[in-house]
Amino acid sequence: DVKVTQSSRYLVKRTGEKVFLECVQDMDHENMFWYRQDPGLGLRLIYFSYDVKMKEKGDIPEGYSVSREKKERFSLILESASTNQTSMYLCASSTQGLLNTEAFFGQGTRLTVV
Amino acid sequence: GDSVTQMEGPVTLSEEAFLTINCTYTATGYPSLFWYVQYPGEGLQLLLKATKADDKGSNKGFEATYRKETTSFHLEKGSVQVSDSAVYFCALSAGMNRDDKIIFGKGTRLHILP
Repeated sequence: DVKVTQSSRYLVKRTGEKVFLECVQDMDHENMFWYRQDPGLGLRLIYFSYDVKMKEKGDIPEGYSVSREKKERFSLILESASTNQTSMYLCASSTQGLLNTEAFFGQGTRLTVV
Repeated sequence: GDSVTQMEGPVTLSEEAFLTINCTYTATGYPSLFWYVQYPGEGLQLLLKATKADDKGSNKGFEATYRKETTSFHLEKGSVQVSDSAVYFCALSAGMNRDDKIIFGKGTRLHILP
């Protein structure tokens, strides 16, 4: 069974902390994505990566960075957490080069910044 | 740019009612179209997909037909169950380039009353 695994289901962090959200996929997918999900706003793309060490900004990259040192792992970093980054974070992966490629999602990390 | 628009929720229906959730898209190329479902507390999972005009995707009693002439991909189910209560996302994948993204609508929350 294919899998995208996020390291935590729930996290509570303090304002100003550096926060790492980890995502691992076991499908040998080239593409990996980080989204945040907020009520009324749907899914918004933060960053994505189409290869090791490659990254592209999504729609809302401010306040975030990412790291992809290995193909199977994509990390989202909040350099200095703020309360407006309280949200549900979703990681996804997909293959490249296929028009009908679908995204596979992790179970989500609900982050609360206090 | 490419975009997806789906009907606002929440949608509340009684069990065994007929369901339609509207989705329209804007794309420069010939996208693949998807419906994803998110059950409470979980990540998104693919419900169905269609890769070319007039294709019908189907799964778990849900159906959607790729209508190029109306740029639509409406989700339908003839008789909903309480277990169908979830958030539904329409999405498109527009290309085969390595940095092409999957674009999501804002989601429609569905409540089914027993």
